[in-house]
Amino acid sequence: QLQLQESGPGLVKPSETLSLTCTVSGGSISSSSYYWGWIRQPPGKGLEWIGGIYYTGNTYNNPSLKSRVTISVDTSKNQFSLRLSSVTAADTAVYYCASLQTYASGSYKYYMDVWGKGTTVTVSS
Amino acid sequence: DIQMTQSPSSLSASVGDRVTITCRASQSIDSYLNWYQQKPGKAPKLLIYAASSLQSGVPSRFSGSGSGTDFTLTISSLLPEDFATYYCQQSYSSLSMYTFGQGTKLEIK
Repeated sequence: QLQLQESGPGLVKPSETLSLTCTVSGGSISSSSYYWGWIRQPPGKGLEWIGGIYYTGNTYNNPSLKSRVTISVDTSKNQFSLRLSSVTAADTAVYYCASLQTYASGSYKYYMDVWGKGTTVTVSS
Repeated sequence: DIQMTQSPSSLSASVGDRVTITCRASQSIDSYLNWYQQKPGKAPKLLIYAASSLQSGVPSRFSGSGSGTDFTLTISSLLPEDFATYYCQQSYSSLSMYTFGQGTKLEIK
């Protein structure tokens, strides 16, 4: 059974870079059926899609976060990571990683079928 | 961007009630619509994908319908554990542009 676990610092200073890692267990990050993604949720608010990555390194990032987002994958460790640069208080949120299952073989549409428990990141000096 | 609008934003209901939540897309998204349940302090959980396909392990009292721009999530008979916030999410656009509805909070009356 696929499981995902986020890890990383819970406190980041303004203007610095937020770095999180998602460790995948119970399955291979190199599966052809999955993308791997990051979602965040500011306190008391809704869900925001950040971006996703395929095991080959192909990425799709939310343009609303412009060039601040970098998502990478390490297949040898079965992990993928998020870096968000130049953070401000508005980036304070719970960050989730998730597996994105394809609707069907050959489809390029995905749904988020397994989520990590989430990790809280606070941006504050 | 494809905007997803849920209604109502909040809803009070009683155990045993039949409840329907609506999600409207700003343009047609075919059937690329998913529903998630989130309880306080917990990660979202997938309930329905492709508008009407029940995720494995999800009780059959949950059902989804719709296509194009209008979708519904129905809970046929509320149980105490169903009180949560529900989100719709579209997968029609490019993977960089996935969007969620603002959420519907289902509370006990």
